[in-house]
Amino acid sequence: DAGVTQSPTHLIKTRGQHVTLRCSPISGHKSVSWYQQVLGQGPQFIFQYYEKEERGRGNFPDRFSARQFPNYSSELNVNALLLGDSALYLCASSLGRNNEQFFGPGTRLTVL
Amino acid sequence: AQTVTQSQPEMSVQEAETVTLSCTYDTSESDYYLFWYKQPPSRQMILVIRQEAYKQQNATENRFSVNFQKAAKSFSLKISDSQLGDAAMYFCAYRSTYGGATNKLIFGTGTLLAVQP
Repeated sequence: DAGVTQSPTHLIKTRGQHVTLRCSPISGHKSVSWYQQVLGQGPQFIFQYYEKEERGRGNFPDRFSARQFPNYSSELNVNALLLGDSALYLCASSLGRNNEQFFGPGTRLTVL
Repeated sequence: AQTVTQSQPEMSVQEAETVTLSCTYDTSESDYYLFWYKQPPSRQMILVIRQEAYKQQNATENRFSVNFQKAAKSFSLKISDSQLGDAAMYFCAYRSTYGGATNKLIFGTGTLLAVQP
């Protein structure tokens, strides 16, 4: 079975630009969560979506937004990129709202 | 708010030896989950072991076991018979179980484990 997939693998943007990161959950999983992992730190929770609705939000500015599609895939959008947004963005899927999470390989975003 | 602390930025172990990684956490909740995740250079976060706070018995998973001390809010990971493939960053994580809670994980800052041949 395919695991969680994320695209793109790597991305380079400049300050002020916008970025969209994509995640496909494991088949049958209805919940997707997004995490930001800055170099040298543990992942920080950004969003959880379950059944296409936002179920949780971390302490991130409004420049960060996300959505979940009818097929349960998800997009994370970040507007007006800052240098500090450079990080590994991890997506995790789970069967339901409170089940074990399975992580994807992440998208490495570099903001210049 | 809950916090997770890993006070060992780096650890090293000889192949076939045993190593223990430390983790402490802070919470006012009585029921929760604790996890150890492994993140190799490939970046993919892999679940190593999990512990439910209401269970007194320490979780084990093959060569991996935990020492869960609820009163002390301590959750250490013991890796026995260390293998070269165990080299990775290890993260301790907390998740609340309270009604309405998301499956949000709160991570520590990680411990980088090196395994020497």
